Amino acid sequence: DAGVIQSPRHEVTEMGQEVTLRCKPISGHNSLFWYRQTMMRGLELLIYFNNNVPIDDSGMPEDRFSAKMPNASFSTLKIQPSEPRDSAVYFCASSPGQIGNEQFFGPGTRLTVL
Amino acid sequence: AQTVTQSQPEMSVQEAETVTLSCTYDTSESDYYLFWYKQPPSRQMILVIRQEAYKQQNATENRFSVNFQKAAKSFSLKISDSQLGDAAMYFCAYRRGAGGTSYGKLTFGQGTILTVHP
Repeated sequence: DAGVIQSPRHEVTEMGQEVTLRCKPISGHNSLFWYRQTMMRGLELLIYFNNNVPIDDSGMPEDRFSAKMPNASFSTLKIQPSEPRDSAVYFCASSPGQIGNEQFFGPGTRLTVL
Repeated sequence: AQTVTQSQPEMSVQEAETVTLSCTYDTSESDYYLFWYKQPPSRQMILVIRQEAYKQQNATENRFSVNFQKAAKSFSLKISDSQLGDAAMYFCAYRRGAGGTSYGKLTFGQGTILTVHP
């Protein structure tokens, strides 16, 4: 069974450009999480969905960030316009519905904004 | 708000020896879960072990065990018979139990880099 799939694995873009990160959760998982990892702030939750509905987006830094989950097998995280301070590794994770279950992480997308 | 603190930025251990990584957390909740994740250079986040707060028995997974002290809000990870493949960044994480919003959210500590010497 495939794990969480993220694309692209690496993204280099210029400041001001739109960036879209993609995630396919594990089949059957109904919770999906987007995390960001930086040296300064560590790992922090940006947003998470349950049954395709955003539950908590309090970690989304600002209006430049948006996330969608149009169906149970796909989610996107979009940054528009991108800034150098958005450079980070972005992880997607999914979890079965029961409380306390493990979150399975994807390999991450390393984003560099020049 | 819940916070997780890992006070050891770096630790090292000799192969086959035992090492303990420290973690403390702050919460007013009584129902929660604690996790240790491993992040090797590949950057893949891998679950090492989990502990339910309502369980008094410390969790164990092969060479990995925890010392869960609920009153002290301490959750340390012990790695026995350390192997070269254990070298990684280790993160302690907290997740509240059911009820209210944000129960699915993982709050991570800053991480501890573990070096294993042959």
